[in-house]
Amino acid sequence: QVQLQESGPGLVKPSQTLSLTCTVSGGSISSGDYYWSWIRQPPGKGLEWIGYIYYSGSTYYNPSLKSRVTISVDTSKNQFSLKLSSVTAADTAVYYCAINRMDAFDIWGQGTMVTVSS
Amino acid sequence: QSVLTQPPSVSAAPGQKVTISCSGSSSNIGNNYVSWYQQLPGTAPKLLIYDNNKRPSGIPDRFSGSKSGTSATLGITGLQTGDEADYYCGTWDSSLSAHWVFGGGTKLTVL
Repeated sequence: QVQLQESGPGLVKPSQTLSLTCTVSGGSISSGDYYWSWIRQPPGKGLEWIGYIYYSGSTYYNPSLKSRVTISVDTSKNQFSLKLSSVTAADTAVYYCAINRMDAFDIWGQGTMVTVSS
Repeated sequence: QSVLTQPPSVSAAPGQKVTISCSGSSSNIGNNYVSWYQQLPGTAPKLLIYDNNKRPSGIPDRFSGSKSGTSATLGITGLQTGDEADYYCGTWDSSLSAHWVFGGGTKLTVL
C-alpha cells in the first residue's frame, strides 16, 4: 500500500519561498498512471487544489497560483516537491500531498502545517 | 467563493439518512466525474466516492453518490456518530483555465 509523508519547514517568512517534499513509500514514483498532487487547507477553511505532476512529467497548476508554483519529481529519492514563491499570510495552511489515480484523490499524506509569519 | 456550491451544514439523528448536495456547471460537474471526501476532525481527507457513484474498497455501502446534470449528491444512510465530519465534493473544471475544484465543504452533525 502506497503511503505519503510531507516534510518541510513549519514557518516561512513573508516574501520567501515555501518548500515542501512528499516522500512516497510502498511504491515507485516512476510507475503507474498517476498524478502526484498538492492540496492545501487554510485554518478553518476548505480544500484548495494547488497542482499536480503527471508521471510523464507534465505539470498542471491552479490558475490562481500558477505564477508562484513549481511541482517537481525526484525519482532517485522517490519524492515529489512543491515550491511556492513570494508567500504571504494568505498562504498559511495545512499542505497535503496526494495521489490522483482514478480521477480522484485516493491516497493522502497526513498533512503539514505551514505558517507564514515574520 | 467556491466554484462548487455545498450547504454549509446538515444534521440528522443516528440511524437516519442524510443527503449533501454539490452544485456546479457544465464546465465541471456537467462533463466530468465527481468525487466525495470525508474529513474527520484533525485528519486528512479520505476518498468516499469516485466516478460519481463508485466506492473504493473498504467504504461501506451506507455511502452512495449520484449525479444529474450539473449537480451531484452524497447520501449517507444509517447515520452513526462517527460520521460527524466535513464532506467535500470535487471535480475537474474543463474551462479555459482548467483545474481541479472543490466545494466549500459541508459539516455533518449527527444529533
